[in-house]
Amino acid sequence: GAVVSQHPSRVICKSGTSVKIECRSLDFQATTMFWYRQFPKQSLMLMATSNEGSKATYEQGVEKDKFLINHASLTLSTLTVTSAHPEDSSFYICSARELAGDTDTQYFGPGTRLTVL
Amino acid sequence: GEDVEQSLFLSVREGDSSVINCTYTDSSSTYLYWYKQEPGAGLQLLTYIFSNMDMKQDQRLTVLLNKKDKHLSLRIADTQTGDSAIYFCAESILTGGGNKLTFGTGTQLKVEL
Repeated sequence: GAVVSQHPSRVICKSGTSVKIECRSLDFQATTMFWYRQFPKQSLMLMATSNEGSKATYEQGVEKDKFLINHASLTLSTLTVTSAHPEDSSFYICSARELAGDTDTQYFGPGTRLTVL
Repeated sequence: GEDVEQSLFLSVREGDSSVINCTYTDSSSTYLYWYKQEPGAGLQLLTYIFSNMDMKQDQRLTVLLNKKDKHLSLRIADTQTGDSAIYFCAESILTGGGNKLTFGTGTQLKVEL
């Protein structure tokens, strides 16, 4: 299957700082990538849809100025958590959408564990 | 609505079959997926089924879809300890912004010796 990477895998930062997370599709081009947030023992919640060359689409309740998304190329999307606070601590997972023939599949990255002190 | 529900926990003995169930509410789903998540890791796509199919088999995995009842199941034959993980079903719905996935609550599968 297709491979998606995330960097960093784990980050600890002080309250008030900004953190950037990268999501890369390694062996396919993705015009669309997605950013999810997962709390412990819970399901994934979609935060935003990242579209190459255009603005991201945010889900209801997600602050676009807080979670900045840039989809700079067909293989890279970044999520920047600005002025992070302890309540932003979570597991952030990205996915990249592959369209091939009749199939439409999202492949997920390994996730980034963010801890804000 | 876009509610996707799963039972939270399933325990089976090694070598037995596991059946993980999922119910969804949106009848406009195009694809339905099963993902596996191991501790501290991302999601691994296991298999998917197109909404006009009722069964798909892939090695030890069998997916059954009852579209009338909006019920999806994943059967794992000859379950092994390495199958212990959380399993998420997800439905793909076409929206104005493209296909979006709505995930179930996840089922933690524990395989005992």
